[in-house]
Amino acid sequence: QKEVEQNSGPLSVPEGAIASLNCTYSDRGSQSFFWYRQYSGKSPELIMFIYSNGDKEDGRFTAQLNKASQYVSLLIRDSQPSDSATYLCAFRRTGTASKLTFGTGTRLQVTL
Amino acid sequence: GAVVSQHPSWVICKSGTSVKIECRSLDFQATTMFWYRQFPKQSLMLMATSNEGSKATYEQGVEKDKFLINHASLTLSTLTVTSAHPEDSSFYICSARSQGVDIEAFFGQGTRLTVV
Repeated sequence: QKEVEQNSGPLSVPEGAIASLNCTYSDRGSQSFFWYRQYSGKSPELIMFIYSNGDKEDGRFTAQLNKASQYVSLLIRDSQPSDSATYLCAFRRTGTASKLTFGTGTRLQVTL
Repeated sequence: GAVVSQHPSWVICKSGTSVKIECRSLDFQATTMFWYRQFPKQSLMLMATSNEGSKATYEQGVEKDKFLINHASLTLSTLTVTSAHPEDSSFYICSARSQGVDIEAFFGQGTRLTVV
């Protein structure tokens, strides 16, 4: 079983719709969860981070974490063409020295 | 905001030569820097973690004698790919974290290495 599983996509949504990106992880010791956006040929940019079960909202983005189900998701409201990118989820165990483990990413395409 | 600058952004080198990639934190002290490698359509794979003033910790399967990491100051870490081969062609990315900060928010721009 992979440590982090993401559907590679592409996930296609029309402009203005809600995009829902999902990620499951196998390590129950995971404590911190991150979503990154990566445009083609560029390095990742941090979108959201979440530590506690439940929802965390920041602008058009909402991260949802369910530790019991080992599931984290990212919702993007009012999707824009500029949101078209690959979204990587990542997790880390407790401690700032712990490394990030990344998923392979889901490619999102927002169509006009 | 905090910025991590990585240089060069792309490099083409001949097989057998060495390439040095620099990663600088511009307005904060990076006590820890991470080096990743990303092959096409794959995720970021951590190669090594470097702490200022000490030897880097390499991930399993990463050859420390081939990928030399130096973190001599709180603002600069370098990755040298020695005796590069075509299979080393990849996108190399650094990230930096300052002491006490739990969030890995700052990535360099990445370096596209092509070995011919």
